[in-house]
Amino acid sequence: DAGVTQSPTHLIKTRGQQVTLRCSPKSGHDTVSWYQQALGQGPQFIFQYYEEEERQRGNFPDRFSGHQFPNYSSELNVNALLLGDSALYLCASSPARGAFNNEQFFGPGTRLTVL
Amino acid sequence: DQQVKQNSPSLSVQEGRISILNCDYTNSMFDYFLWYKKYPAEGPTFLISISSIKDKNEDGRFTVFLNKSAKHLSLHIVPSQPGDSAVYFCAASDGSSNTGKLIFGQGTTLQVKP
Repeated sequence: DAGVTQSPTHLIKTRGQQVTLRCSPKSGHDTVSWYQQALGQGPQFIFQYYEEEERQRGNFPDRFSGHQFPNYSSELNVNALLLGDSALYLCASSPARGAFNNEQFFGPGTRLTVL
Repeated sequence: DQQVKQNSPSLSVQEGRISILNCDYTNSMFDYFLWYKKYPAEGPTFLISISSIKDKNEDGRFTVFLNKSAKHLSLHIVPSQPGDSAVYFCAASDGSSNTGKLIFGQGTTLQVKP
């Protein structure tokens, strides 16, 4: 049973560029959340997708957008990259609501460096 | 506004002794608390959790204590093992949000010396 997978592992971009990160949830999970972890900090909630719609959003600008596909996989897009966007981006999945899903399963993350 | 705080960036203990990691929160709406462990180059791994209706939860060597009046929780690891060396994150969730969104602390790096 594969856990949460993310691609790519590492990415280097320059300021102003756009980036797309990908996530496949754990088998049986249909809810995907994205977090940003800056160096020395805890993960910060970006947004959550359920039934292909953004269900909740954290305190991040509109440059951060996402998408969920019918197979529950998800993408995180960041436009007009800033140096401060350099971080580890974590994807977490959880099972459907109705089940107790506060326990989220995390992928290994994508390390984004903006130069 | 840091709603979940881990005030000790690091902790070092001897193998076999107890490790105590602390976490404070400010939002009284939080009703579920979790501890995650993170090794380098890996995502956080769920360790143990506690609901706000309880004050203690045990799982093997790991025990989490919750003091709602003080808005404080702690993770006890007994006995500590070198393999426990990792970054530990405390996280909280607000049941009213209906999404399970997690608010994390900054993390505490635990080093267990052989």
